[in-house]
Amino acid sequence: DGGITQSPKYLFRKEGQNVTLSCEQNLNHDAMYWYRQDPGQGLRLIYYSQIVNDFQKGDIAEGYSVSREKKESFPLTVTSAQKNPTAFYLCASTPRANTEAFFGQGTRLTVV
Amino acid sequence: GQQVMQIPQYQHVQEGEDFTTYCNSSTTLSNIQWYKQRPGGHPVFLIQLVKSGEVKKQKRLTFQFGEAKKNSSLHITATQTTDVGTYFCAGPTNSGYALNFGKGTSLLVTP
Repeated sequence: DGGITQSPKYLFRKEGQNVTLSCEQNLNHDAMYWYRQDPGQGLRLIYYSQIVNDFQKGDIAEGYSVSREKKESFPLTVTSAQKNPTAFYLCASTPRANTEAFFGQGTRLTVV
Repeated sequence: GQQVMQIPQYQHVQEGEDFTTYCNSSTTLSNIQWYKQRPGGHPVFLIQLVKSGEVKKQKRLTFQFGEAKKNSSLHITATQTTDVGTYFCAGPTNSGYALNFGKGTSLLVTP
């Protein structure tokens, strides 16, 4: 069953703790992305990666970090430096730039 | 980043009425994509438009790309309750390697 898997679906953390969100794809896509979604804000780009061992900051990268050690995996770490981390996080992949994006089910992060 | 503006933010229609959402960019886009997100779900790709003035249809959905490639629209004819969700347009970022999404239009259809 091909697709993108994000885990967990719901995540709760205490303020000041780092947390890592998982994103795995078995579509053999080169490019992967992380978006943040807040009510009424649409999707905002956090980081993206076009190839293994390379990634670029998006519009709201501050307080986040990523790695791309394997083609299939693109984990996102929400650090304690992120001022408002509570949000819905979506991972996506595309076979190449400017093509259809496939999204995971999302992780809803709540920081208390 | 490059701005993609979308209106209206919300639309509430009676089942059977038509619906249109509009997307505008300050710069020329090489292409534009449309996605649908059901409540509680994730965005799902609907279509990509590439050519100036392009019109594509998917059953009751009609997608248009403006002549100047700066605007686009999605029109749904005779809405059904299954059309409920948020519709997003998305254009390439300045780098061309990612997508900039509009804020979306949330459609509510009451029977």
